[in-house]
Amino acid sequence: AQSVTQPDIHITVSEGASLELRCNYSYGATPYLFWYVQSPGQGLQLLLKYFSGDTLVQGIKGFEAEFKRSQSSFNLRKPSVHWSDAAEYFCAVYNAGNMLTFGGGTRLMVKP
Amino acid sequence: DVKVTQSSRYLVKRTGEKVFLECVQDMDHENMFWYRQDPGLGLRLIYFSYDVKMKEKGDIPEGYSVSREKKERFSLILESASTNQTSMYLCASSWGRGPNVGETQYFGPGTRLLVL
Repeated sequence: AQSVTQPDIHITVSEGASLELRCNYSYGATPYLFWYVQSPGQGLQLLLKYFSGDTLVQGIKGFEAEFKRSQSSFNLRKPSVHWSDAAEYFCAVYNAGNMLTFGGGTRLMVKP
Repeated sequence: DVKVTQSSRYLVKRTGEKVFLECVQDMDHENMFWYRQDPGLGLRLIYFSYDVKMKEKGDIPEGYSVSREKKERFSLILESASTNQTSMYLCASSWGRGPNVGETQYFGPGTRLLVL
C-alpha cells in the first residue's frame, strides 16, 4: 500500500534560517506529489505539486521541493524562513486508487 | 479563486447526538471529499463523492454517512456521535468526475468537533 512518511513531527528554526522538511513516499509507479500548508485555524493551502518533468518544483511563498526518485523523497525547502511560515506542513501522494494519501504532518515553529 | 466553506468552525455535541457537518464549494467541482485530521495521523479520507447522489467509502467510513443532493453541497453525518469522533473535519473539492490523478484538491477551513 502507498504511504507517506514525514519523519519530523516538530521542527524549530530561527527566522532567516534555511528550512528543509522531509517527505518519503512509498509508491511503485510515477508519483504525483503535493505539499500543503495549514496555518493555525485554517484549511490546507497548496504550496506546490510535482507531476513530471523538472525535478525541482517552485511553489508559492518562496518554497521549492525536489523530487528524488532514487531516494523516494520529495523534500520541501525554503532559503530564508519568515515568522509567518509557522504552520503545519503536509506531504501527499496520489495512491493506486487515485486518492490522496497524506503524511502525518510536520509542525514548524519559527524563533524570532 | 476556489472557495470551500464549512458551516461551523467549532461544534460541541454530546455522545449519541446526530451531527451534521455541511460543506459548500463555489467552483462547480464534481468531486467532493470529507477528511478527518488527527495529530500525527495527517488527513484520512472518510467519504468522497464524484457526482450528485453518488458516494464512495474512503479509508475510515465507519460511524459516518454522507449526502450529496446538490452539486455544490456535501454533508457529513455522524448518526450517533461518539467521543472517538472528536476531531478536526476538513472538506475538499476538485475538478473532474471520479478520481483524477493529479487534480488539486481545495480545502475548507475545517470544523473542530468535540464530542462530550
